[in-house]
Amino acid sequence: QSALTQPASVSGSPGQSITISCTGTSSDVGDYNYVSWYQQHPGKAPKLMIYDVSKRPSGVSNRFSGSKSGNTASLTISGLQAEDEADYYCCSYAGGSHYVFGTGTKVTVL
Amino acid sequence: EVQLVQSGAEVKKPGESLKISCKGSGYSFASYWIAWVRQMPGKGLELMGIIYPDDSDTRYSPSFQGQVTISADKSISTAYLQWSRLKASDTAMYYCASQARGAGFDPWGQGTLVTVSS
Repeated sequence: QSALTQPASVSGSPGQSITISCTGTSSDVGDYNYVSWYQQHPGKAPKLMIYDVSKRPSGVSNRFSGSKSGNTASLTISGLQAEDEADYYCCSYAGGSHYVFGTGTKVTVL
Repeated sequence: EVQLVQSGAEVKKPGESLKISCKGSGYSFASYWIAWVRQMPGKGLELMGIIYPDDSDTRYSPSFQGQVTISADKSISTAYLQWSRLKASDTAMYYCASQARGAGFDPWGQGTLVTVSS
């Protein structure tokens, strides 16, 4: 299983919207609606932001949304804020109780 | 409060053995898969394997099969990750996480830093 492909970095100004892509294959992202997204600030544990492609845990801002088309999932952050600056990882079920993470994307708020 | 609490940082020498722990509280620990995730310095997240505490059904990611052992004791709501012979390349932060939210991993433990150096 290869890691899912994410852009190394994405940046935006406060108030803007950005989208992070997560590209897999027909054996993982494309085959299951089990994509999740995690935010990780430096020195901290990851935090679940989106699960099952587009569901948002309670307590997570509605500025975060997820979607999927074919073998690519996406995380959109609208109304970008300084506190959104962090690393973001996608994760997909890949069958047989196996999961694969994405390569990670560093979000910079300009 | 739903939480996972991991054991403290470890400093070991190559060839030594190690077992780190992850204790759950505030929810039905045995009823949700627990994942172990490696993060090497400055690198991304890698899922090592998952275990279902209720029956100890364990699945390893191919890269970690044979390299580590994952176990659990549901009577004390604790999962474990162990090495029989550590290598310098095992130096990393290790997180446990519960799959208590659909197919998403939440909550996460605070992480256990393992340093292997001669």
